[in-house]
Amino acid sequence: DAGVIQSPRHEVTEMGQEVTLRCKPISGHDYLFWYRQTMMRGLELLIYFNNNVPIDDSGMPEDRFSAKMPNASFSTLKIQPSEPRDSAVYFCASSPSGRVTEAFFGQGTRLTVV
Amino acid sequence: AQSVTQPDIHITVSEGASLELRCNYSYGATPYLFWYVQSPGQGLQLLLKYFSGDTLVQGIKGFEAEFKRSQSSFNLRKPSVHWSDAAEYFCAVGGQAGTALIFGKGTTLSVSS
Repeated sequence: DAGVIQSPRHEVTEMGQEVTLRCKPISGHDYLFWYRQTMMRGLELLIYFNNNVPIDDSGMPEDRFSAKMPNASFSTLKIQPSEPRDSAVYFCASSPSGRVTEAFFGQGTRLTVV
Repeated sequence: AQSVTQPDIHITVSEGASLELRCNYSYGATPYLFWYVQSPGQGLQLLLKYFSGDTLVQGIKGFEAEFKRSQSSFNLRKPSVHWSDAAEYFCAVGGQAGTALIFGKGTTLSVSS
């Protein structure tokens, strides 16, 4: 398996623009997680899905952030409008169903908002 | 509250020396514990995990970790560090399937020659 695939790897955008980050989870995994990594706050859970349904979005910082999972093989995280403080590395991870959650991470998308 | 604490932000060890990275957790249910490693510009790779049973678990790249319930700790160790081990290390705690992992802030390991 190719693992969790994220695109783009790097994104530079101007403040106020819409940004869409994409994720393809490992085939057969039922859970998908979006994390954000910054120097100040470390790795923060933004939202996660089970069988394409959002389970916990309490980590989504503001209404500017939204996430969707239209099918088992694709998810998006959208920021509209983007702000400089959204600059971070965004990770997608997936996990198989089972007794314990063990997350497999993608390479991340480094977002810079100028 | 559920949390993971990694007390050391940055550690430097000499190549060939032993290593111990500390991790303490707070979790209301049975904890399942993980160590991940992140090289610059890369995603997180799982080093090892503890679910149950033997409290000393072996992982990849010669790493091991010991679960101590009485101390709420899950420290990572390696007997002899290699220059390629320089990276950031994250401890995480999770629960039953359907819960998300909670991560510590990470420890950056530098290896000196």
